[in-house]
Amino acid sequence: DIQMTQSPSSLSASVGDRVTITCRASQSISSYLNWYQQKPGKAPKLLIYGASSLQSGVPPRFSGSGSGTDFTLTISSLQPEDCATYYCHQNYITPYTFGQGTKLEIK
Amino acid sequence: QVQLQESGPGLVKPSQTLSLTCTVSGGSISSDGSYWSWIRQHPGKGLEWIGYIYYSGTTYYNPSLKSRVTMSLDTSKNQFSLKLSSVTAADTAVFYCALRRGVGPPYYAMDVWGQGTTVTVSS
Repeated sequence: DIQMTQSPSSLSASVGDRVTITCRASQSISSYLNWYQQKPGKAPKLLIYGASSLQSGVPPRFSGSGSGTDFTLTISSLQPEDCATYYCHQNYITPYTFGQGTKLEIK
Repeated sequence: QVQLQESGPGLVKPSQTLSLTCTVSGGSISSDGSYWSWIRQHPGKGLEWIGYIYYSGTTYYNPSLKSRVTMSLDTSKNQFSLKLSSVTAADTAVFYCALRRGVGPPYYAMDVWGQGTTVTVSS
C-alpha cells in the first residue's frame, strides 16, 4: 500500500497567517492527490483535486501544489472557519489511502 | 446536484453482518465513470478507504477487509450497499458513502459524500 505522511500532525496559527501542510507519498503518485477538510461531526469536504485544481466553491485562499511524492496545501490567509482537520488522499493506486490528518487550530 | 444518504442499523452484534445502504438522489447510479465508494472513520481517528463499486458493477475492495466485504448496486432503487461480515468491536466506526468521479487523469476525486452513519458493534 502507498503510505501518505502528513506534517505537521497539528498546528496552531493566527487569523491572517499563511499556513502550509505537507504530504509525502511512499512512492510516486503523479498528480493523483486530493486534499480534504473535515470539521467535527461532518463529512470530509473536497478542497483540491489533481494536486492543484481548486474544487468549485472553495475559497481561493486554498491552493495545492506538487507532483510525484511531495505535495503541499497552502492557506494564504487563515480565517476562523478554517479550523478543521485536513487530509491528503491518493487515488492513484488501489487501495487508495489517506494521510493521518493535520489538525489546524486558531490561536 | 448529486446527493448521498447512508442508512442502516446503528448497532450490530459481534460476529454478525453489518449492512448499509447509500441512496443516490439528483443523479443516476448508472452514470458512466461513477465509482461508488465506502470509507470509514474509527472514533477519533483518520479515514480508511473500504472500496468501490463501479457503475458497471465491477468492485475493488481494500485487501485489509476484502475477505469480509461485499458491495452491490440496486439500479431500480438508485442505491448501492455495503456488507461487512463477522464484525467485531474494531469495526465500530462512522461509515461514509461517496462518489468518485473525474474529467480525466489525474483529475479524479470523491467530491460528493454522504453525511455519515455511526455503527457500533456491541452485544
